[in-house]
Amino acid sequence: AQSVTQPDIHITVSEGASLELRCNYSYGATPYLFWYVQSPGQGLQLLLKYFSGDTLVQGIKGFEAEFKRSQSSFNLRKPSVHWSDAAEYFCAVGTGGATNKLIFGTGTLLAVQP
Amino acid sequence: DGGITQSPKYLFRKEGQNVTLSCEQNLNHDAMYWYRQDPGQGLRLIYYSQIVNDFQKGDIAEGYSVSREKKESFPLTVTSAQKNPTAFYLCASSTPLGMASNQPQHFGDGTRLSIL
Repeated sequence: AQSVTQPDIHITVSEGASLELRCNYSYGATPYLFWYVQSPGQGLQLLLKYFSGDTLVQGIKGFEAEFKRSQSSFNLRKPSVHWSDAAEYFCAVGTGGATNKLIFGTGTLLAVQP
Repeated sequence: DGGITQSPKYLFRKEGQNVTLSCEQNLNHDAMYWYRQDPGQGLRLIYYSQIVNDFQKGDIAEGYSVSREKKESFPLTVTSAQKNPTAFYLCASSTPLGMASNQPQHFGDGTRLSIL
């Protein structure tokens, strides 16, 4: 069965430090992969997506993610974190095809220290 | 601007009462989705609809019902059979072949439902 694992429930980084949020997936076919961000009490905003091609994808707000098929991973990175990046981050795998569903990880809550 | 509107933002339900959450989109998307979000559990799919007058159960459909009479609207009813309805509910939409055409799901700002 398809699944997504985000092993870090909560991460705290200092402002200006680099960030890496981990995501591992289980999916039989070529995955469609997404990272979303959620501010408190808000909906989800798409940061970036991977469908095919270049395994390093660039997103909004200075985020990037690298697809590594051999490790079944799609980790999110940012070289320098800003206080406004504090939020919850969700990795998701899309089933595509006729069902077109998303399977979400349980999220990683990012806190940013001044 | 195009987007997804969910209302109300906060909703309270009494025991034994059905309540309906509204979701409207003006993105001209065919597919619409309802998710439930609980702390520490991510998002779980309740129902989804690929086209008007058709919908399918997701992973946690028990105690919920939906309708899809118009392309723009996909209301969710939380029935009295749902014994633990307190959660944050998110509506999303995408083109019917969203993944294949590189179109992800777009989300509304959610409705928080609580029990009185």
